[in-house]
Amino acid sequence: EAGVAQSPRYKIIEKRQSVAFWCNPISGHATLYWYQQILGQGPKLLIQFQNNGVVDDSQLPKDRFSAERLKGVDSTLKIQPAKLEDSAMYLCASSLDPGQVLSEQYFGPGTRLTVT
Amino acid sequence: KQEVTQIPAALSVPEGENLVLNCSFTDSAIYNLQWFRQDPGKGLTSLLLIQSSQREQTSGRLNASLDKSSGRSTLYIAASQPGDSATYLCAVTSYDKVIFGPGTSLSVIP
Repeated sequence: EAGVAQSPRYKIIEKRQSVAFWCNPISGHATLYWYQQILGQGPKLLIQFQNNGVVDDSQLPKDRFSAERLKGVDSTLKIQPAKLEDSAMYLCASSLDPGQVLSEQYFGPGTRLTVT
Repeated sequence: KQEVTQIPAALSVPEGENLVLNCSFTDSAIYNLQWFRQDPGKGLTSLLLIQSSQREQTSGRLNASLDKSSGRSTLYIAASQPGDSATYLCAVTSYDKVIFGPGTSLSVIP
């Protein structure tokens, strides 16, 4: 079974520029998560989708971050404009069904963003 | 508000030692607890998932225990190897939210 795919793996941008990340979850997984992980910290949930609907985006800085999951499969996370404090690893994860809260999450390799 | 902590923040042991990593959470109302491994600059790899009704899970040299009443989980690694060097994170699912601890950075010295 193919894992969670993410691209790009690395991105360096200047502050105030825009950037987008892409995630393809494991086939058949209804739930998709985007996390932000600042160096030395645990991942922080930014947004959770079930199919193409948003379940939780309470920690998403909506003035600059946006995410979508068209057709309930692939997802993109965008930052516009970027700030220095957005430098972090952005992780995508998927799980079979959050309604069964026992579902295990599977993570992609992440995108390392550096804002200069 | 659920909070997850991990102690110690970093640990260095000689190869072959058995070791224990700790994870604590403030609210015992959890659905499950998951242990992950993260290599530098990489994503997370799931190691063990313990459901709220379970006390422990084992996989190879790894054993994870869960004590909901005391808000604790431990990850036991037997006969540590240099390849075990990584950051180990625990995450709890509580009220439909997944909350991660900050991780323990493990170095196994050959």
